[in-house]
Amino acid sequence: SAVISQKPSRDICQRGTSLTIQCQVDSQVTMMFWYRQQPGQSLTLIATANQGSEATYESGFVIDKFPISRPNLTFSTLTVSNMSPEDSSIYLCSATGGGSTNYGYTFGSGTRLTVV
Amino acid sequence: KNEVEQSPQNLTAQEGEFITINCSYSVGISALHWLQQHPGGGIVSLFMLSSGKKKHGRLIATINIQEKHSSLHITASHPRDSAVYICAVRWSNDMRFGAGTRLTVKP
Repeated sequence: SAVISQKPSRDICQRGTSLTIQCQVDSQVTMMFWYRQQPGQSLTLIATANQGSEATYESGFVIDKFPISRPNLTFSTLTVSNMSPEDSSIYLCSATGGGSTNYGYTFGSGTRLTVV
Repeated sequence: KNEVEQSPQNLTAQEGEFITINCSYSVGISALHWLQQHPGGGIVSLFMLSSGKKKHGRLIATINIQEKHSSLHITASHPRDSAVYICAVRWSNDMRFGAGTRLTVKP
């Protein structure tokens, strides 16, 4: 199956700053997704990263706060903008549609973000 | 060795059947998640467990911390339950996912 390299694995950031998280897939994939897991909560889909067009955001998430890029079929970034302590979460990317022999979904290892 | 093992990998059932998906893990964890991923790719978080049992509608999730095992049950299965079910475990600063169970429920 495809392998995703997600960076950074963790970061501690000052409020008001922005952090960009990267996901690099070792093969072309059709779809990439970004998730957030707030402390004590389950994963929540932020958006679907579309190659060559604007990301599709879920209810409660907006582009100004979480701009996403997908310049090609193997790479995507999520930026957490103007951070506040409430943004402290694990952010996770996933990808599918790479033609693997299993169910075809793979995940990044996650980025643990702490905003102070 | 995968730290999170799910079984079965694929499961086909007839509508109305009782479904069980299993997840075993090899490390002490802080929480275990069951996720549902539909063909469109989006993931829905079904449960987060750290002990005991949770129920939501026709879905029941149990965890045995001592045995490092969790099960997801679906009662009265329906074709709309067809999806990939993913077990994910968290410990310390890491999260690990099972390979998923592809469930197909036939009418």
